[in-house]
Amino acid sequence: DAGVTQSPTHLIKTRGQHVTLRCSPISGHKSVSWYQQVLGQGPQFIFQYYEKEERGRGNFPDRFSARQFPNYSSELNVNALLLGDSALYLCASSSGRPWDNQPQHFGDGTRLSIL
Amino acid sequence: GNSVTQMEGPVTLSEEAFLTINCTYTATGYPSLFWYVQYPGEGLQLLLKATKADDKGSNKGFEATYRKETTSFHLEKGSVQVSDSAVYFCALSVNTGNQFYFGTGTSLTVIP
Repeated sequence: DAGVTQSPTHLIKTRGQHVTLRCSPISGHKSVSWYQQVLGQGPQFIFQYYEKEERGRGNFPDRFSARQFPNYSSELNVNALLLGDSALYLCASSSGRPWDNQPQHFGDGTRLSIL
Repeated sequence: GNSVTQMEGPVTLSEEAFLTINCTYTATGYPSLFWYVQYPGEGLQLLLKATKADDKGSNKGFEATYRKETTSFHLEKGSVQVSDSAVYFCALSVNTGNQFYFGTGTSLTVIP
């Protein structure tokens, strides 16, 4: 079975641009979360979606937004890119409901570099 | 609040040495605890988990025991291999279920 897939794998943008990252969860998983991982740090939570609704939001500015589609895939959008947005963006999916505390299964991430 | 503290790295060990990576946590509510591993250029992979006090998670020779009295979840392996070289992350999830909280990661290098 396919795991969590993310696209693109690498992306280079300049300051002020916007970016859209995409994620397909494991088949049957309805919960999708997004994380930002800066080099040398642990992942930081950005959003969680379940059944197409936002269920949680981390401490990130409004430049970050996301949505989940009827097929449970998800997009993360970042506007007005800053140098500090350079990071590995990870998508994770899990089975069950968000409060079931099921493990999160991660994709390989999108490496975003801002010049 | 919720947070995870891991021992600082990097850690360098010889093959077949004993490994311990310390992890302590603070949590509101009753957390589930996890260890994830990240190999170079890859995403995070679940290594093991424990969902209640005194549970022992184990996988691929790694073990960790959920110690509520010391709020700890230390990772151990009796004999490490070169292929265990990676970054290890301790994480928790509370039953509000909105997010995982990760430690900063501990880089392990095993030399032949």
